[in-house]
Amino acid sequence: GAVVSQHPSWVICKSGTSVKIECRSLDFQATTMFWYRQFPKQSLMLMATSNEGSKATYEQGVEKDKFLINHASLTLSTLTVTSAHPEDSSFYICSARTRDSTYEQYFGPGTRLTVT
Amino acid sequence: QKEVEQNSGPLSVPEGAIASLNCTYSDRGSQSFFWYRQYSGKSPELIMSIYSNGDKEDGRFTAQLNKASQYVSLLIRDSQPSDSATYLCAVNAYFGNEKLTFGTGTRLTIIP
Repeated sequence: GAVVSQHPSWVICKSGTSVKIECRSLDFQATTMFWYRQFPKQSLMLMATSNEGSKATYEQGVEKDKFLINHASLTLSTLTVTSAHPEDSSFYICSARTRDSTYEQYFGPGTRLTVT
Repeated sequence: QKEVEQNSGPLSVPEGAIASLNCTYSDRGSQSFFWYRQYSGKSPELIMSIYSNGDKEDGRFTAQLNKASQYVSLLIRDSQPSDSATYLCAVNAYFGNEKLTFGTGTRLTIIP
């Protein structure tokens, strides 16, 4: 149980274009989903917390107009990187929290974004 | 002071031995503690969660929590080469705060 999928697993895009990443909880309903970014040899950096039906809460320093998050249902959240630039190239990982009382987060497999 | 601290390693352990990973946290109000394993190029995988003082065992893994000393540890018995990975300690600060604070991770290498 507690399986989270992400699509696509990797994407290459040109500078200035937008890229959408999907995160789905496959066998549970996720009250909250989280979006992280990880640069090589660095730890996870939380970008935003996403609750179904409400606006995402962004961490300090993360541009909400650049990283658009939509949590349309209890099983789907999307992250759109708008006007991507090479410095946005990174490993983007989502996680989801189940509806029970614990705070365990289950991670998707991640999306490797390369902006050329 | 970092909120969650781990020794970055690398920690090298012979195959079959016990690997011991440690983590300290700064917020005394922290309630939930997690260990994640991350293979190179992959996303983190939850391997243990612990919420109360003492030990919690799951197969070859044992998590230990000492809230008074503000540390949590992970023991891996009978270490296997497949255990070679980076281990991330994560802490949930308090009930109602859904965010996890991650340590920078300890890189573990099991030597055959």
